Amino acid sequence: AQSVTQPDIHITVSEGASLELRCNYSYGATPYLFWYVQSPGQGLQLLLKYFSGDTLVQGIKGFEAEFKRSQSSFNLRKPSVHWSDAAEYFCAVGAREYGNKLVFGAGTILRVKS
Amino acid sequence: ETGVTQSPTHLIKTRGQQVTLRCSSQSGHNTVSWYQQALGQGPQFIFQYYREEENGRGNFPPRFSGLQFPNYSSELNVNALELDDSALYLCASSSGLAGNTYTQYFGPGTRLTVL
Repeated sequence: AQSVTQPDIHITVSEGASLELRCNYSYGATPYLFWYVQSPGQGLQLLLKYFSGDTLVQGIKGFEAEFKRSQSSFNLRKPSVHWSDAAEYFCAVGAREYGNKLVFGAGTILRVKS
Repeated sequence: ETGVTQSPTHLIKTRGQQVTLRCSSQSGHNTVSWYQQALGQGPQFIFQYYREEENGRGNFPPRFSGLQFPNYSSELNVNALELDDSALYLCASSSGLAGNTYTQYFGPGTRLTVL
């Protein structure tokens, strides 16, 4: 079965510090990988995606993520966090072989301290 | 370009009632997917509609049903509501061919509370 693990439920970083959110997946197929962000009471906003090609992908708001096939990981990074980045972040995986659904991780809540 | 919209924003129902949630897809998108997000969890796939036909379903009972209209808007219907149906219901639209995973863009969600 397909699964996505986000090991960190909560992460707190200081404003201006770097950030890395972890995502590991278990999929029996070539995955399509996504990161979404959700502010309280809101829908999901797409940050970035990986389908193929260069394993380091750039997204909006200064975020980037690196696909590492050998580690089944797709970690999200940002070199300098802003207070407005406080939100919940979801990693999601899809694959053509499993139809059109996205499987989401449980999310990581990011807190930014000033 | 208009994004994904959902209505209503909030809804309160009692156990046993029926509810209909609505979604308008992003301009140019022909596929709509529905997800349920319980409190403190990630979204879970309910089903997807492509060109008015159901095109994949998650592990949800038949009392969860849907429709897609010729303009690609969609409805999610839930019959015989249970307390555990309380959640944020998210609609996502995408564009592409059936069987392909394309980027899904989400609406703001409908918060359903079942009392």
